[in-house]
Amino acid sequence: GQNIDQPTEMTATEGAIVQINCTYQTSGFNGLFWYQQHAGEAPTFLSYNVLDGLEEKGRFSSFLSRSKGYSYLLLKELQMKDSASYLCAVLDSNYQLIWGAGTKLIIKP
Amino acid sequence: SAVISQKPSRDICQRGTSLTIQCQVDSQVTMMFWYRQQPGQSLTLIATANQGSEATYESGFVIDKFPISRPNLTFSTLTVSNMSPEDSSIYLCSVVAQGEDHNEQFFGPGTRLTVL
Repeated sequence: GQNIDQPTEMTATEGAIVQINCTYQTSGFNGLFWYQQHAGEAPTFLSYNVLDGLEEKGRFSSFLSRSKGYSYLLLKELQMKDSASYLCAVLDSNYQLIWGAGTKLIIKP
Repeated sequence: SAVISQKPSRDICQRGTSLTIQCQVDSQVTMMFWYRQQPGQSLTLIATANQGSEATYESGFVIDKFPISRPNLTFSTLTVSNMSPEDSSIYLCSVVAQGEDHNEQFFGPGTRLTVL
């Protein structure tokens, strides 16, 4: 079966750095997405990786290792507004998005 | 990018009734998706709605319970039929469209449904 694993919840301090991991087992791979979802709102796109390596976009970076079936989202200089759920999703061989359950990130002052 | 609107944004319904949710996109898209997200959980795909053909339903979802219309490339509806409290959820419309460098999945604001 297809599976996406990510931690259920993480806590970090304002101004610090946090890394949210995602491992996947899917039938084929056509890219991995990270989405941010604030409580009560729709998910919004953060990043897309299809090749191995690190993609940096401002305070957020995303890393992919296809051989290991592994990705992480790195958030730097954390702000209170970064408190949200972070969803990992993989596009499989049928171009269907397989969603992880999401990681709830709690930022403390 | 794609801008998606949904109506209604929220509703409270009685058991046994039906609710139709509308999804409007500001550009023509081939595939539209309907998701359900129950409190504290991730997204569950209900069906993929293609214009001009019947929707494709995921395991656990059937057309009689969740009929879908897709009359054109910018609009779709999802009906939640014969509702029960277990149908209380957020229903999200989504499309794939061109982002900055690649295709992205864009989401509507969601419809929060409470069934009493």
